[in-house]
Parts: sequence; structure tokens; C-alpha cells
Amino acid sequence: IAGITQAPTSQILAAGRRMTLRCTQDMRHNAMYWYRQDLGLGLRLIHYSNTAGTTGKGEVPDGYSVSRANTDDFPLTLASAVPSQTSVYFCASSTSEDQPQHFGDGTRLSIL
Amino acid sequence: DQQVKQNSPSLSVQEGRISILNCDYTNSMFDYFLWYKKYPAEGPTFLISISSIKDKNEDGRFTVFLNKSAKHLSLHIVPSQPGDSAVYFCAASASYSGAGSYQLTFGKGTKLSVIP
Repeated sequence: IAGITQAPTSQILAAGRRMTLRCTQDMRHNAMYWYRQDLGLGLRLIHYSNTAGTTGKGEVPDGYSVSRANTDDFPLTLASAVPSQTSVYFCASSTSEDQPQHFGDGTRLSIL
Repeated sequence: DQQVKQNSPSLSVQEGRISILNCDYTNSMFDYFLWYKKYPAEGPTFLISISSIKDKNEDGRFTVFLNKSAKHLSLHIVPSQPGDSAVYFCAASASYSGAGSYQLTFGKGTKLSVIP
């Protein structure tokens, strides 16, 4: 079934550790995005990529990095996790910047 | 400053009646608006969208209305069904050119409960 796959589905991580959240889509969408959802705050954009090889910063990029080596994959890395990065992370993709975004089912990350 | 506001955190509606979810925005550059539905433990699902050249868009039981002068949009669900119970997010973007264009700004969501 075509769509977006995020891994892991959940993770508990010690503060200071490095963590990479994986996101893969098989729809050949050009644009991909990473959001975090916190209680009472809705979804906030962390980083985005309009096409393979390019990335940009969203509303809350600090503490996160991304890469877009190919069309399908858009990993999100926390170089040194902190408790404030405890959140649910959603990856999304769209055919182009101006089309509706389709979301994965999220990764629930807890930093202790 | 929150640019997209959903002032009602929750809404309860009887099955078969109309559900009206509201959204206000402050950024006059926003010209494309979307509604997403989210069930627990799942990602948001695109529901319906509207561009600023229209004031209404309909898709089955779902209709979105846009009032640009008031910077207000609403989602109407008629008739409401128990399966519509979910959190609904309003989102907006601005189609200006340049890096970062078309980024979505989300509201905080409204939890809709449809009572059988």
C-alpha cells in the first residue's frame, strides 16, 4: 500500500543521546516535511524539503537536522536529545509545495 | 503570535445534526486553507481545501466556507456521523514565491465528538 512509513513508532531515549527518526514515502512526492505535535500547540514545522537535495528550516528547527539524499527518504536527526524534544513527530509529503500534504502515523518520542 | 486560531478546543454534536468548526487567521498573506482530520495514534488526514479565489468548496458531507474580509473559515459537516469524531485541524499557507513558500501553519485543533 502506497504511503508514508515512519520508524520507530515509539522510542524512549536518554537525554544527550543521538537519535534518527526515519521517514520513507513511495509516492514519488517531491516535497517532504517534519512536524512535531505537542499538547495544546497543534503541529509545528521543523524542517522541510521541496525536492531531493534541498532542505529548509521551519518554525522550530533548533536541535534538529535533516537530509534529503533521494526522493523517498527524509530522516530527522536529534544530535543530542533534550527533554523538551519529547513530542510526537510526524513526517509528511506532497506532490509539490502547493498540494495537500499526506502524513505518516507518527513517532512518539520520550526523552528522559 | 498565533497566526491560525481554533478557539474551540472541543465540540459535541448529536448524530445527524450539523457540525460547524471554526478557524480564524491573522496573516493576510494566507491564500490557501486546508482542513485535516486526526484520529488517535494516526497521522492527520487531508479532508478538504479552499483557495482564496473561492468562498465555498464542497465535497460530499463536508463544506468549507471562507470569509476573507473577516479572515475566518469554517468547516460544516452535514449530517454528522459517529465516525466523524476526531480532532480537526485548520491549516493555512501563503503562495508567495521564495524559500519556504507554501509552508503550512496549523491551528491547535478542535476535538469533535458526535454522539449517537
